[in-house]
Amino acid sequence: AQKITQTQPGMFVQEKEAVTLDCTYDTSDPSYGLFWYKQPSSGEMIFLIYQGSYDQQNATEGRYSLNFQKARKSANLVISASQLGDSAMYFCAMREGIFGNEKLTFGTGTRLTIIP
Amino acid sequence: DAGITQSPRHKVTETGTPVTLRCHQTENHRYMYWYRQDPGHGLRLIHYSYGVKDTDKGEVSDGYSVSRSKTEDFLLTLESATSSQTSVYFCAIRASGGSPDTQYFGPGTRLTVL
Repeated sequence: AQKITQTQPGMFVQEKEAVTLDCTYDTSDPSYGLFWYKQPSSGEMIFLIYQGSYDQQNATEGRYSLNFQKARKSANLVISASQLGDSAMYFCAMREGIFGNEKLTFGTGTRLTIIP
Repeated sequence: DAGITQSPRHKVTETGTPVTLRCHQTENHRYMYWYRQDPGHGLRLIHYSYGVKDTDKGEVSDGYSVSRSKTEDFLLTLESATSSQTSVYFCAIRASGGSPDTQYFGPGTRLTVL
């Protein structure tokens, strides 16, 4: 089974609209962390936001927020007021366990295109 | 900016030749990682290091070796490159403090094996 599933290969969104990028995960470990990264066309991987499995509140970082629904095992990224510069690939990733596991497991990504 | 550089940034080589990619960091991070990125697979962990001379295998370690003789440098070696190792290679560090466990990535190296 896939550990991280991103079901939207591509999305087109009008500028200034909000956008939700879906991510579901699969783990039996009670301790885990969820991450979102942005990869623009220039190729670098940019860390956006983190959510820990024990965090009580959804994480927010500026225009980014993470809609964390633990029971549904989903960690959707919400971008408010989208901008042309938000056009990029977006990857959801998970690290299971707190100690002893160094692997980040990535989804296959969603390509977001913002339309002017 | 996590102070990570990778060299070379682009390389074209032939099947069967050895290749070494270098990751250099300036902020004394203990943990360093090598990932590869391929279409349809996201990023996959090759090897990681948790200190000088301390390394361990990741998910796709076959055909790769690593070395870390100094805190700041983490080398990835393809002993005999194959076409299946054509990929984009990312180095990462794990930052301590702030958001726990967050890995920050270098700019990547695009490797083509002909």
